[in-house]
Parts: sequence; structure tokens; C-alpha cells
Amino acid sequence: NAGVTQTPKFRVLKTGQSMTLLCAQDMNHEYMYWYRQDPGMGLRLIHYSVGEGTTAKGEVPDGYNVSRLKKQNFLLGLESAAPSQTSVYFCASSYSISPRGETEAFFGQGTRLTVV
Amino acid sequence: AQSVTQPDIHITVSEGASLELRCNYSYGATPYLFWYVQSPGQGLQLLLKYFSGDTLVQGIKGFEAEFKRSQSSFNLRKPSVHWSDAAEYFCASANFGNEKLTFGTGTRLTIIP
Repeated sequence: NAGVTQTPKFRVLKTGQSMTLLCAQDMNHEYMYWYRQDPGMGLRLIHYSVGEGTTAKGEVPDGYNVSRLKKQNFLLGLESAAPSQTSVYFCASSYSISPRGETEAFFGQGTRLTVV
Repeated sequence: AQSVTQPDIHITVSEGASLELRCNYSYGATPYLFWYVQSPGQGLQLLLKYFSGDTLVQGIKGFEAEFKRSQSSFNLRKPSVHWSDAAEYFCASANFGNEKLTFGTGTRLTIIP
């Protein structure tokens, strides 16, 4: 049981290049999320998905696109990377909150992206 | 919109001393509250969570947190810290119908011998 796996773990891009970050979970979770973590700003939600084929914008969606073609995978794309997108990116997954209000988000190990 | 505030950016505590990390939330209804810990270069690990019932919640690694509705707080405590507790701690909230986790900005904990 691998949990949440992110690839790659590190990447350096030149300004204007594109790339895709892959997140895979093997827990059959409905919800998946992409966050970025920057010093002093905590984790900010980029995009999220409440199920296969659905995506929604989070707090900081500009410059990113996502796709959830399969329930277990959530892809984050940068079409034209900018230095402001230098960050550590975390993927997470969870069940939806049950009527008892219980859920827990599981996080990947992160992807450190540098845009030069 | 819900928000989470962690007023302390950095806290330094001596090994063996007690610890309290502050967290305040902003939401009308009862939120679901979480504390996560992040060790350097690692992902986030759940320490504990509150949904309903007993307002004092026990977590892993000897941590506990108390939900106080009157103060809109969910402070994390540990009676005696260990050097291995040095990490960054994040408070987060969610609520039914809006399951997205909203995080605070984090508190970095340093342990001195």
C-alpha cells in the first residue's frame, strides 16, 4: 500500500517550459488536491477534484491546469512556467466527509520545483 | 470563507519543557479541525483531528489538542517535548459540504538541549 505517490520529486525548469506533475493514490479516495507550499504562507490550494472527471479551482489556480481522467490519478500541469511558480508542490487525497464528519487527508512527499 | 490563523511563526522550547501551539479558526458552524506535522523535506503527517464529541483530542506522539468554541481555538499541546519534535506544525480546518482543507501558515518548532 503506497498511499500517495508524487513524481517527480525534483525538477528544474526554464521560464516558459511546460511540465506535468503526477499524483497517484491507491486508497480509492474520491477527493484529490494539489497544494503549493511557500515559506511563511503555509499550504495554498491550487486545484482539487471531488471525483473522476471533475476538477475545481482552489485559492491560487492561475497558471496551472489539472485533469482527473482516472480516479487514482490527479495531474497538475504548468503550460508556461514562471519563476513565481518555484515552490514545493504537495498532492493529497481523502474520502469525502462522512455524515459523521470523519475524514483525513493523506499527503505525498512533495515535488520541489525550481523555475529559472 | 473559512480561515485558520497560527499567530506564532517560530517557537523555541527546551527539551523536556511543555509546549502549546496556538490555532484560531474562523467559521460560523463547527468546523472539522486538524493538526499536521511536517519534518524537514517530508510530507505532512496527521497528528490528530476533531470532528465532534469530546473537546479534548488525543493524537499520536503524545500530542493533544483542545477545541474551545468560545475562543474559536484548537491549540496543540504536549507536556514534555523531545528533540525529535522539532518540525513545522500546521493547523487546518474543513467542514461538511466544503471538504477542502484550509491551512494556517504554520509554526516552526525548534528544540534546544
